[in-house]
Amino acid sequence: AQSVTQLDSQVPVFEEAPVELRCNYSSSVSVYLFWYVQYPNQGLQLLLKYLSGSTLVKGINGFEAEFNKSQTSFHLRKPSVHISDTAEYFCAVSARGGGSYIPTFGRGTSLIVHP
Amino acid sequence: SQTIHQWPATLVQPVGSPLSLECTVEGTSNPNLYWYRQAAGRGLQLLFYSVGIGQISSEVPQNLSASRPQDRQFILSSKKLLLSDSGFYLCAWSPERYEQYFGPGTRLTVT
Repeated sequence: AQSVTQLDSQVPVFEEAPVELRCNYSSSVSVYLFWYVQYPNQGLQLLLKYLSGSTLVKGINGFEAEFNKSQTSFHLRKPSVHISDTAEYFCAVSARGGGSYIPTFGRGTSLIVHP
Repeated sequence: SQTIHQWPATLVQPVGSPLSLECTVEGTSNPNLYWYRQAAGRGLQLLFYSVGIGQISSEVPQNLSASRPQDRQFILSSKKLLLSDSGFYLCAWSPERYEQYFGPGTRLTVT
């Protein structure tokens, strides 16, 4: 079984400032890691994913995340945010191998970008 | 490329009425399919998932049911809606256990 903890339910930030959204996970097996973004009244959209290889993953809209196996973290970062980045962000994990096809989602972090 | 459709986009139904939400996927075959619900200001709650035609797994016991009559069609149903069924319903598909691709969602209000 696995679990995901998004440490901040809300992150307010000013436009053009850097931001980090934190995600920690626990799992008894190796995992794949994902970040999704949800704009109001829309479905979730994949931002980026870590399947294997380089631990620094770049995604859409200028976001990146770093997989840290020793700290079981997958924090999302952007060096300079825009008003349009205001949205809900979800971290998710999925087990490598095994019989489960069910990913585990965090509860979400609301990013609020102020002008 | 693959696309996922959900309809209707919004729905207002009285308590005790039936429900049918439909989800279809194009451009892929034998996808894993999922139904989620989001209550206002809350995270995702997995309701059902399916790894093949006629194969449905329920994650939360409630008055909802799901069916997969065709490879790329996933239907969420209820015989009698409750007030607590209100929410934002999301369908998603996945190739194996990798990332998921979500539909636009259905906003259901039970009155």
